[in-house]
Amino acid sequence: ILNVEQSPQSLHVQEGDSTNFTCSFPSSNFYALHWYRWETAKSPEALFVMTLNGDEKKKGRISATLNTKEGYSYLYIKGSQPEDSATYLCASPLHRLAFGKGNQVVVIP
Amino acid sequence: DAGITQSPRHKVTETGTPVTLRCHQTENHRYMYWYRQDPGHGLRLIHYSYGVKDTDKGEVSDGYSVSRSKTEDFLLTLESATSSQTSVYFCAINSAPGGVGDEQFFGPGTRLTVL
Repeated sequence: ILNVEQSPQSLHVQEGDSTNFTCSFPSSNFYALHWYRWETAKSPEALFVMTLNGDEKKKGRISATLNTKEGYSYLYIKGSQPEDSATYLCASPLHRLAFGKGNQVVVIP
Repeated sequence: DAGITQSPRHKVTETGTPVTLRCHQTENHRYMYWYRQDPGHGLRLIHYSYGVKDTDKGEVSDGYSVSRSKTEDFLLTLESATSSQTSVYFCAINSAPGGVGDEQFFGPGTRLTVL
């Protein structure tokens, strides 16, 4: 993998359901992996910065895991609520911070 | 919230005119970035700065120039605006090189329309 890639690009989730999505990044020369939450008409805000293999971070109903050896991170949303609707960006410092195109999440009430 | 502002917040201009966007921070962070947001592309880096008078190109730098004469200000100039530069522009700051271990803080964005 040469770039930061996210999948799926978009997903619709029923309120109350849990969901997860993937960020893939180059595993060589790994420094850190960032997750940002980006609500419509607002600015991206940092959720997590992860640096160690096996790292697990949690903020409320949102959590993330990191596998630096295979080059992926999962973001989980437990019991999705409408306010979780946003685009979730991951980013990895390659030469500069390189962003994936995001996972757009729509939570359906 | 990080002290980062952008001006103007909205601008409509005509093709061929020069446009300057300003990013101002009160955090004394060393690193400043300009991104553009376009549907299907996410955030793409235009230019960044790693200190006063120290700047470098990002992945979509053609048609843009930057200047940083003070720590707190990072200016983005569209030398001759084109319709393809219609976008939302975000400034970001952080204190670490390349974002290593340190998250970026984003400004509120500038919506630019080139007619």
